[in-house]
Amino acid sequence: DGGITQSPKYLFRKEGQNVTLSCEQNLNHDAMYWYRQDPGQGLRLIYYSQIVNDFQKGDIAEGYSVSREKKESFPLTVTSAQKNPTAFYLCASSIEGGDTQYFGPGTRLTVL
Amino acid sequence: GQSLEQPSEVTAVEGAIVQINCTYQTSGFYGLSWYQQHDGGAPTFLSYNALDGLEETGRFSSFLSRSDSYGYLLLQELQMKDSASYFCAVNNAGNMLTFGGGTRLMVKP
Repeated sequence: DGGITQSPKYLFRKEGQNVTLSCEQNLNHDAMYWYRQDPGQGLRLIYYSQIVNDFQKGDIAEGYSVSREKKESFPLTVTSAQKNPTAFYLCASSIEGGDTQYFGPGTRLTVL
Repeated sequence: GQSLEQPSEVTAVEGAIVQINCTYQTSGFYGLSWYQQHDGGAPTFLSYNALDGLEETGRFSSFLSRSDSYGYLLLQELQMKDSASYFCAVNNAGNMLTFGGGTRLMVKP
């Protein structure tokens, strides 16, 4: 089955630690995205990548970093510089020029 | 800047019709999308309007008026499983989406 997987589903981290969230897709999509969602809020774009080895900052990139070494993978690192990292993180992908984004199940990050 | 406005909550009864409105202000506009998200789940695509008018997909329809910067999602024959959050999103250049804050729909028996 084609789709997007994110792991882990729940993640706990101590303050001051970096943590990496995984996102893998086997849809052969060129574009991938990371969003942050806070309780009762909409999705805000963190980073996106239209092609391998290239990525762009979204609206709230501070405190986050990404890499795109393979078409299938777009990991997100939440660094200690992110002041309020507790949130629900969603990864998505789309074909180039496509109208539709396909989302993974999300990772709920809690900073203790 | 870009902004989208939609009601925060809507309540309706099973079998009824509900309309969720969305107004937007954006510097670049290719179309308006709607996504559904159940609690704790991933958003899933419902519809997309690039041109003015009504698009119908089963019980769901979506409307767009580009001149009014306005769109709506119409849900007919409401079912309990339709209880979810609904997001409008503006499609910008390069596949980009800017999401509204979401409308929480509660369907009551």
